[in-house]
Formats: sequence, C-alpha cells, structure tokens
Amino acid sequence: QKEVEQDPGPLSVPEGAIVSLNCTYSNSAFQYFMWYRQYSRKGPELLMYTYSSGNKEDGRFTAQVDKSSKYISLFIRDSQPSDSATYLCAMSSYSSASKIIFGSGTRLSIRP
Amino acid sequence: DARVTQTPRDKVTEMGQEVTMRCQPILGHNTVFWYRQTMMQGLELLAYFRNRAPLDDSGMPKDRFSAEMPDATLATLKIQPSEPRDSAVYFCASGSDIAGVANEQFFGPGTRLTVL
Repeated sequence: QKEVEQDPGPLSVPEGAIVSLNCTYSNSAFQYFMWYRQYSRKGPELLMYTYSSGNKEDGRFTAQVDKSSKYISLFIRDSQPSDSATYLCAMSSYSSASKIIFGSGTRLSIRP
Repeated sequence: DARVTQTPRDKVTEMGQEVTMRCQPILGHNTVFWYRQTMMQGLELLAYFRNRAPLDDSGMPKDRFSAEMPDATLATLKIQPSEPRDSAVYFCASGSDIAGVANEQFFGPGTRLTVL
C-alpha cells in the first residue's frame, strides 16, 4: 500500500463547476501538505501549502486538511478551462521535511 | 526569471547505453532533487542533496543509477547500463531548505527518456 493514495481520474467537469480533489495517507507523522499542479509536458508547480490541520484559501482554491481522518482536499471554485491539468497532492513530515511524498496525480479536464 | 534547467529535453537510446542527464538548479538554492515520473508509479523521489552532499538515495537502483553534484550549479543523474524499464520522465527540482520546514520545490521541465 502506498503512503499517499490519490484517485488518478480522469475527472471531467463543465466550466464554472466546483471541483473537489482528494488524497488519503497512512503516515501520521506528515505535517506539511501541498498541492502541485502539472500542465502537460511541464514540471509540477506548487499551488497550495498547508501546515498541519485546517483550511487555507487562495483565490478560487481552498485546501483542507483533516489529520484525524488522514484526508486532504483541494477545492476549485468557478473552474476555468485553464485549470485543466494534473493535480498532485504531496506531503512530508517534520523530521524529513524536504523528503516530499507525492500522490499519483488526478487528471482534471474543464469543458468550456 | 530564475528557473531550473535540464538537458537534454528528450533522449532516445538503446538498451545497454549510458545516459547522462544534467540539471542546473536555481542560483542560491541549497537542495536538489531527482524524481522519476511514470504513469504506473507516479512521481518517485530518486535522490536528493543538501549543500551538494547526498542525503537520501534510497529510491534509486544502486546498481545502475548514480547521482552527483560536481558543483553548486550542476547536478547529474547517470544510468549505466540503461534498460527499457528506465523509460520515464526525469525531473530535477531545487529549493531552499530551512531545517524542519518543507519548502517549495521548483521543478525543471524534465528529460523524457526512451530506452529501446
């Protein structure tokens, strides 16, 4: 079993819809939680960063962490075709903060 | 506009050949990471360096892979001999490491390797 599980999709939604992306994890030592976005044939880029539990909002994006359930989510409001990409959850522990474990990624397509 | 650069962008080679991938991290970053991405396994950490010293290469097949940082501006990943199962996209990333804090990693564009 992988430390981080993520539904690979693909997920296709109409423009303007709310998108929910999720990951589960097994390592209770994880403290840092991230979402990276990867466009086709590009490297991943950091989208959201959260420490420990709680919510964080940045524009149309909201990241949620529920450590009791070992579950993290990314919500995208008013989705746009430019949001079409692969979204990778990522996490690391305090003792190995730089050693980031990535989910396999969810491929998202926003239909105009 | 500081960015991580990688060469080559694409590499097609035959089984048994040596492959060398190069990465120039962002100036001033003290951590460098090598990842491999495949459809089946996703993004896997192969090795990483802090201040040019190797910290963790547990994700790397030791018999055929080697990673080095000859200087602060160059990281290399070598595969010798290459095998078809090594076909993947290899990413280099760099970051500024503050102890105990997971900092943003900046990824290069990747090297797409095909081993025939």
